[in-house]
Amino acid sequence: DQQVKQNSPSLSVQEGRISILNCDYTNSMFDYFLWYKKYPAEGPTFLISISSIKDKNEDGRFTVFLNKSAKHLSLHIVPSQPGDSAVYFCAASMNRDDKIIFGKGTRLHILP
Amino acid sequence: DAEITQSPRHKITETGRQVTLACHQTWNHNNMFWYRQDLGHGLRLIHYSYGVQDTNKGEVSDGYSVSRSNTEDLPLTLESAASSQTSVYFCASSEGGGLHYEQYFGPGTRLTVT
Repeated sequence: DQQVKQNSPSLSVQEGRISILNCDYTNSMFDYFLWYKKYPAEGPTFLISISSIKDKNEDGRFTVFLNKSAKHLSLHIVPSQPGDSAVYFCAASMNRDDKIIFGKGTRLHILP
Repeated sequence: DAEITQSPRHKITETGRQVTLACHQTWNHNNMFWYRQDLGHGLRLIHYSYGVQDTNKGEVSDGYSVSRSNTEDLPLTLESAASSQTSVYFCASSEGGGLHYEQYFGPGTRLTVT
C-alpha cells in the first residue's frame, strides 16, 4: 500500500509563474518530509525538507508547506525557471529511522 | 571532493546470470541504500545498511542481496537475473543516527536483462 502519494504524474507551468507540486501521505508516524529533484540520466538530488513541528520551510524560490491534519504537503516554486523542468519526488521518514519512503514522482515541464 | 559512484553505468546481461552492481562512497557515511526506479513506481528500496556488517531488506528485496564489509562499499548482487529486474538502480548514502540527514545519490546504473 502506497504510503506517499503524488497523484499528478505531470504538470506544465509557464515560465515565471508559480509551480505547485502536491503530495499526500497515509502514515501518521511520518515526522520528516523531503523533496528531491531528478534530471534525466542523473541521480536524485535533495531540494528541501520540513520537520513535522513546522508548517512551512522556505529556501530561496522553494517553499514547502505541511498540513499535518490533512496529511498533505506541497512544494511551491516561485518564479518557475526553465532549469526547474525535472521529476520531483516527495519523500517521508519516521522518527529515528533513516529509511526514506518515496512517492512515484511528478514530472514538471516549464514552458517558455 | 567527497562523492558516491556506481559502476557500471550500463549493463546488459542474460536471464539467469549473476550480476553485481558496485557502489562506492567517500563521505564516510554510516548508511547506504539501494533503490530501483521504474516507470509508474518511483523509487523503491531494495536493501539498506546502517553500518559495517549490517544489512536489511527493503520493500522489493526478493532476488537481490547485499553485503557490507567496509564503510565505503555496498555491492548489490542479483543472484539469478530476471527480465523483471530490468531497471535503473540508484545507490545512496547518508550520515545516519536517526537524525533525518538527507541521502546523497549516485548517478545510477541502467541494467537490461535479456
